[in-house]
Amino acid sequence: ELKVEQNPLFLSMQEGKNYTIYCNYSTTSDRLYWYRQDPGKSLESLFVLLSNGAVKQEGRLMASLDTKARLSTLHITAAVHDLSATYFCAVDSYQLIWGAGTKLIIKP
Amino acid sequence: GAGVSQSPSNKVTEKGKDVELRCDPISGHTALYWYRQSLGQGLEFLIYFQGNSAPDKSGLPSDRFSAERTGGSVSTLTIQRTQQEDSAVYLCASAFDRGAFFGQGTRLTVV
Repeated sequence: ELKVEQNPLFLSMQEGKNYTIYCNYSTTSDRLYWYRQDPGKSLESLFVLLSNGAVKQEGRLMASLDTKARLSTLHITAAVHDLSATYFCAVDSYQLIWGAGTKLIIKP
Repeated sequence: GAGVSQSPSNKVTEKGKDVELRCDPISGHTALYWYRQSLGQGLEFLIYFQGNSAPDKSGLPSDRFSAERTGGSVSTLTIQRTQQEDSAVYLCASAFDRGAFFGQGTRLTVV
């Protein structure tokens, strides 16, 4: 059974700091996606990672994929309050398998 | 339309009534998912449609839940004899080869 594990599940950090969210998965896949969800809202696509070594960046967020290690990271640089949200990763196996989400709170 | 559309956006129903939730996916997307999300929780997989293949119904929590997808497009999730524990946000997503795109969800409240 394919499992997707995110950690941490909860992260509280100060503005200006850097941090990384990890997404580990248990089977071979070369497609991984990151999403953001704001409270009371639906999920919004952030990054699409389609091959080993893929790296995507948008503003203060950068995502990477290592298919050999079965690991993706979402790195936050110099965090700002507006990045507070819950972040999900999803692995594309025969269907999408989701991590449990990381609730990120960034304090001013 | 340009995105995934779900209706209604909010639904309040009495315990024991049946409800139908509708999802209009992005045109051309062969995959369609239904999820349930309770407050502050992750995504609970319900059902997955892929093209003309038999749907994966392994996430449906009971036989009160059913879903269909007509003509490979619009999908309806039906909950019969609703219970209070069915209260949640029901999210639909359609997908092709670049991940899933979500509708805004239907917030179901069973009173």
